[in-house]
Amino acid sequence: QQQVKQSPQSLIVQKGGISIINCAYENTAFDYFPWYQQFPGKGPALLIAIRPDVSEKKEGRFTISFNKSAKQFSLHIMDSQPGDSATYFCAASRGGGYNKLIFGAGTRLAVHP
Amino acid sequence: DSGVTQTPKHLITATGQRVTLRCSPRSGDLSVYWYQQSLDQGLQFLIQYYNGEERAKGNILERFSAQQFPDLHSELNLSSLELGDSALYFCASSPRAGPNYGYTFGSGTRLTVV
Repeated sequence: QQQVKQSPQSLIVQKGGISIINCAYENTAFDYFPWYQQFPGKGPALLIAIRPDVSEKKEGRFTISFNKSAKQFSLHIMDSQPGDSATYFCAASRGGGYNKLIFGAGTRLAVHP
Repeated sequence: DSGVTQTPKHLITATGQRVTLRCSPRSGDLSVYWYQQSLDQGLQFLIQYYNGEERAKGNILERFSAQQFPDLHSELNLSSLELGDSALYFCASSPRAGPNYGYTFGSGTRLTVV
């Protein structure tokens, strides 16, 4: 019930294309769903987050789509750029209190010029 | 610079040894989280401290322990090290107790056990 399953493990996209990474969760008590971006040699950094009361959140070229009934959420990167090449982690948790983020296994994205 | 400082950046040690990893949270953050990142396991939650008190525990081995000091810095102690303990260890901090306040991660300590 605590798992967050992320796919694909790796993704290659051409510059200007759309990158799509999917995650699924089991625990219906989860109410906070962030995405983190990690560059080599760095720690993960918060990219964008969503709560289950909305189905979509957009920040610049990054969009989270959320499907509560399917217990799935995804990250879309529009107009992908070589600088977006990084590892992306989805995560889920109950938002408040002494809860912790449960991370997916990560997706290594490579955007080719 | 994220504002979360982890030292050392790299550590190479032998099996059976003990090491201490240090984390200074972002100024004003009260919560500290420790995560282990290995190639096949992703980011695994180890332990959380809030304002000096242990608040949540993950699948942390009995050989591992941590504490948060009055100045809010935290240390993760790993003892009787095994080859399988080789990993990246990340510390993250947040202003308050909930993850919805956003975690700020340090750059990690890469531990290699030989």
